Amino acid sequence: NAGVTQTPKFRVLKTGQSMTLLCAQDMNHEYMYWYRQDPGMGLRLIHYSVGEGTTAKGEVPDGYNVSRLKKQNFLLGLESAAPSQTSVYFCASSRPTTRPGVSTDTQYFGPGTRLTVL
Amino acid sequence: DQQVKQNSPSLSVQEGRISILNCDYTNSMFDYFLWYKKYPAEGPTFLISISSIKDKNEDGRFTVFLNKSAKHLSLHIVPSQPGDSAVYFCAASRSNFGNEKLTFGTGTRLTIIP
Repeated sequence: NAGVTQTPKFRVLKTGQSMTLLCAQDMNHEYMYWYRQDPGMGLRLIHYSVGEGTTAKGEVPDGYNVSRLKKQNFLLGLESAAPSQTSVYFCASSRPTTRPGVSTDTQYFGPGTRLTVL
Repeated sequence: DQQVKQNSPSLSVQEGRISILNCDYTNSMFDYFLWYKKYPAEGPTFLISISSIKDKNEDGRFTVFLNKSAKHLSLHIVPSQPGDSAVYFCAASRSNFGNEKLTFGTGTRLTIIP
């Protein structure tokens, strides 16, 4: 199993350009997430999905859109990139938890996409 | 508003000694806590977790302690090994059916000195 994969690994954009980051998981997980990691900020949730065809906003959703057309894929789109979106983006997936006293199951992360917006 | 805080950006520990990483949280609704480990150019990987109904959870060299009254948790690594050098993130979640979001701290870079 490949786990969680992300495409591309690196990308440089000019301000105003658009792009889509692809996340794919082969673990049949219901839940998928997009995070960004910035120095001194930890990981912040952008958007997430609790199932095929559903998406929801996280902590920092502005400037991003997402789609979950297939259970195994979660796409993150930047319609008009800005320098403030320079970051490392991580995708993650998980199962719904079924264990008593456990409010979230383990999230499995992809290797990340390093995006620079000039 | 940083709900999960890791106040030490970095920590250096001699090989074989104990490493103690600390994490504080402000949201009393959090009821489940996790530690993730991250190597450069890789995604975070799950390390250990603890439910708010416990005050300690142990897994091999790794032990997490939770002090609910102080809203504080710590990760102990004993003995520390060179392969433990990484960035460690504390994360927290709250029970909410169908919504299993994690709130992460800013991370602590642990360096094990041979």
